[in-house]
Amino acid sequence: NAGVTQTPKFQVLKTGQSMTLQCAQDMNHEYMSWYRQDPGMGLRLIHYSVGAGITDQGEVPNGYNVSRSTTEDFPLRLLSAAPSQTSVYFCASRGSVSNTEAFFGQGTRLTVV
Amino acid sequence: GENVEQHPSTLSVQEGDSAVIKCTYSDSASNYFPWYKQELGKRPQLIIDIRSNVGEKKDQRIAVTLNKTAKHFSLHITETQPEDSAVYFCAGTGGSTLGRLYFGRGTQLTVWP
Repeated sequence: NAGVTQTPKFQVLKTGQSMTLQCAQDMNHEYMSWYRQDPGMGLRLIHYSVGAGITDQGEVPNGYNVSRSTTEDFPLRLLSAAPSQTSVYFCASRGSVSNTEAFFGQGTRLTVV
Repeated sequence: GENVEQHPSTLSVQEGDSAVIKCTYSDSASNYFPWYKQELGKRPQLIIDIRSNVGEKKDQRIAVTLNKTAKHFSLHITETQPEDSAVYFCAGTGGSTLGRLYFGRGTQLTVWP
């Protein structure tokens, strides 16, 4: 089992560029989510999905887009990168039962210049 | 939705001392409370969790207590070691059965040798 695989690990973008962060899990988890982590702000939820074809916004969705075409994959798209999106991004997955562990990807350190 | 507050934001202890981190939650429907440890540059990983039908759970040097009436839960680390230095996050589920976790803002624990 690979768990949650997230790529890339590091990325530098110029303002206005777009990119996609990839996330895949092999645990057949229904729930997947994207967080950003900034100093002193904890883990803030960007978008989440409760199954293929179903996505919803979290706390900080602006500037990001997601889709869930399969159970395994949940990519995060930055539409037009801004310096305020410089952060560390984590993908996570969890079984649909409410009392199960969430597994995190390795994280992506994104810098927008 | 659920609101999870975590205190303190930073905690420094001497090696061998105990450390306590406290969290409160707002939604009485929360039924699962995990604690995650995040070492520098790494992903958050589950260290212990507790369900709402249990008041206390121990795993070697770490323990978690839950007070449903007061809606707070705490992480206790005894005989701290330098390798316990990390950021710790608490979380709750709120009334969601869909898989979402609501995280506290984290506590930076530093254990001095």
